[in-house]
Amino acid sequence: GEDVEQSLFLSVREGDSSVINCTYTDSSSTYLYWYKQEPGAGLQLLTYIFSNMDMKQDQRLTVLLNKKDKHLSLRIADTQTGDSAIYFCAESSGGYQKVTFGTGTKLQVIP
Amino acid sequence: NAGVTQTPKFQVLKTGQSMTLQCAQDMNHEYMSWYRQDPGMGLRLIHYSVGAGITDQGEVPNGYNVSRSTTEDFPLRLLSAAPSQTSVYFCASSSQGVHEQFFGPGTRLTVL
Repeated sequence: GEDVEQSLFLSVREGDSSVINCTYTDSSSTYLYWYKQEPGAGLQLLTYIFSNMDMKQDQRLTVLLNKKDKHLSLRIADTQTGDSAIYFCAESSGGYQKVTFGTGTKLQVIP
Repeated sequence: NAGVTQTPKFQVLKTGQSMTLQCAQDMNHEYMSWYRQDPGMGLRLIHYSVGAGITDQGEVPNGYNVSRSTTEDFPLRLLSAAPSQTSVYFCASSSQGVHEQFFGPGTRLTVL
């Protein structure tokens, strides 16, 4: 079945850039998502990218997609303490009730 | 709009007990899903529904039942709780043609 992998933990200093990486196995993935989960809360969609795009930028967030290597990354510029959360990568081949989530990367921002 | 609401927030059960986790949304979304979140395993889909009266199994459906009698509500039933069902459960909803899933705050379930 489909698999989405992420590293479990990332620590950065406030003001630095954070890069969270994700790899997926489903070559038919059409949509790739980044969700954010703050402590004690549900997930919230940050951004998503279509598989025919290489990059998407939204304020401090930059998503890069390497479809050949099935690699997705989320870059957060000028990381703030409020960015501390778990970030989930997810993919879907179109039926978005069939979204496959990664294990999540816990981002710790050190003041 | 309250969005997606879940009750209870916390629950402790003994092995063999049954219970229902409630989920409701007030956004008139067609699609609703139940996920469980376990450490190091991300979110796994339990059951989902594409509309009232229609449900289907996800990745890990065993031990859980669902029904969708109204657009708003999508309860998840544990028939005979087992320690392996200790987890955080999230309900989510989304609208046809829109990619974003809206998540509830979760229910933390412990089965002793």
